Amino acid sequence: DAKTTQPPSMDCAEGRAANLPCNHSTISGNEYVYWYRQIHSQGPQYIIHGLKNNETNEMASLIITEDRKSSTLILPHATLRDTAVYYCIVESEKLVFGKGTKLTVNP
Amino acid sequence: SQTIHQWPATLVQPVGSPLSLECTVEGTSNPNLYWYRQAAGRGLQLLFYSVGIGQISSEVPQNLSASRPQDRQFILSSKKLLLSDSGFYLCAWSVRRTGGLGYTFGSGTRLTVV
Repeated sequence: DAKTTQPPSMDCAEGRAANLPCNHSTISGNEYVYWYRQIHSQGPQYIIHGLKNNETNEMASLIITEDRKSSTLILPHATLRDTAVYYCIVESEKLVFGKGTKLTVNP
Repeated sequence: SQTIHQWPATLVQPVGSPLSLECTVEGTSNPNLYWYRQAAGRGLQLLFYSVGIGQISSEVPQNLSASRPQDRQFILSSKKLLLSDSGFYLCAWSVRRTGGLGYTFGSGTRLTVV
């Protein structure tokens, strides 16, 4: 079973920040939080991951709460091409996907 | 650099025919390998994973099998396909490194059983 919960869908206006939440209340101390996204009919694409500290790369920022029970993926300036299903996953030897959040970026 | 190759991209097979999908990884050694399936409109379901040559773990009972004859080769097979085997099949690999396990996915095979 997936160890995360995410809202099933979200909408965002083009050019605005998209904030995607994820709950992972049973995460262990040495488990990473990974974010992937899947654009229709393609394989999942890695976005970002983190353990305790907030992380930023060219695609997104990851904010992890101090108790590590939840995190937020931030796409600072969403574009139409960011429309996809976003998966938040707690790392283990087997990557188990939940249902993810379907983000729709609207013009 | 590490790459993953998965073929064919699309496949149409009749019910009862055999199946063989191949996945190969380049640029890494002793990776964990995975097969996932995504039915139309559904999420990604883990089918098999392997931590080494000849070591296969099955996640769900099904009509499919997997084999790992070489370190960087993972094969998904069926002796007789069912209509319910239709879907988007993805191969992935991971290797533990600083910062946890990194996973990389292939481009997928879209299988239609008719």
